[in-house]
Amino acid sequence: DAGVIQSPRHEVTEMGQEVTLRCKPISGHDYLFWYRQTMMRGLELLIYFNNNVPIDDSGMPEDRFSAKMPNASFSTLKIQPSEPRDSAVYFCASSSTRGPGGGYTFGSGTRLTVV
Amino acid sequence: AQSVTQLDSQVPVFEEAPVELRCNYSSSVSVYLFWYVQYPNQGLQLLLKYLSGSTLVKGINGFEAEFNKSQTSFHLRKPSVHISDTAEYFCAVTPTRTDKLIFGTGTRLQVFP
Repeated sequence: DAGVIQSPRHEVTEMGQEVTLRCKPISGHDYLFWYRQTMMRGLELLIYFNNNVPIDDSGMPEDRFSAKMPNASFSTLKIQPSEPRDSAVYFCASSSTRGPGGGYTFGSGTRLTVV
Repeated sequence: AQSVTQLDSQVPVFEEAPVELRCNYSSSVSVYLFWYVQYPNQGLQLLLKYLSGSTLVKGINGFEAEFNKSQTSFHLRKPSVHISDTAEYFCAVTPTRTDKLIFGTGTRLQVFP
């Protein structure tokens, strides 16, 4: 298995532009998570899905952020409009419900810079 | 609610010395416990996990951790570190009835020659 695949690896955009981050989870994993990592706040859970349905989006910072999972093999995190304070590394992770506390498999992340 | 505290933001150590990275958690329900490692410019990798059973858990790269329920701790140890162990280490918990992984703030392990 290729693992959790995120794209792009790096994104530089101007303030006000729309940004879309993409994630392909491991085949067969029922859960998908989006995390944001910054120096100030560490790793924050933004949203997670179970069987393509959003379960908890309480970590989404504001309405500018939205996430979708149209099918079991693809998810997007969109920021519109982007702001400099959104600069961070965004991680996607997936996990399987077939074992208790199996832990997550993380992607390599997308480093977003908003200028 | 659950929380994870990693008391040391940075731990400098010389190569071949032992190291302990501390983790304490707070939870009113049973939890599963994890340690993840993040190498520079990479995602997080699972080092080890405690689900049940023996309180001493062995992971990859020679690391081990001990679950102490009375002290609500899950400290990570390695008897002899290598330069290649330089990385950020995250302790995390999952309440047993949920799938939400809650991370600590991380400890940067810096191994010097």
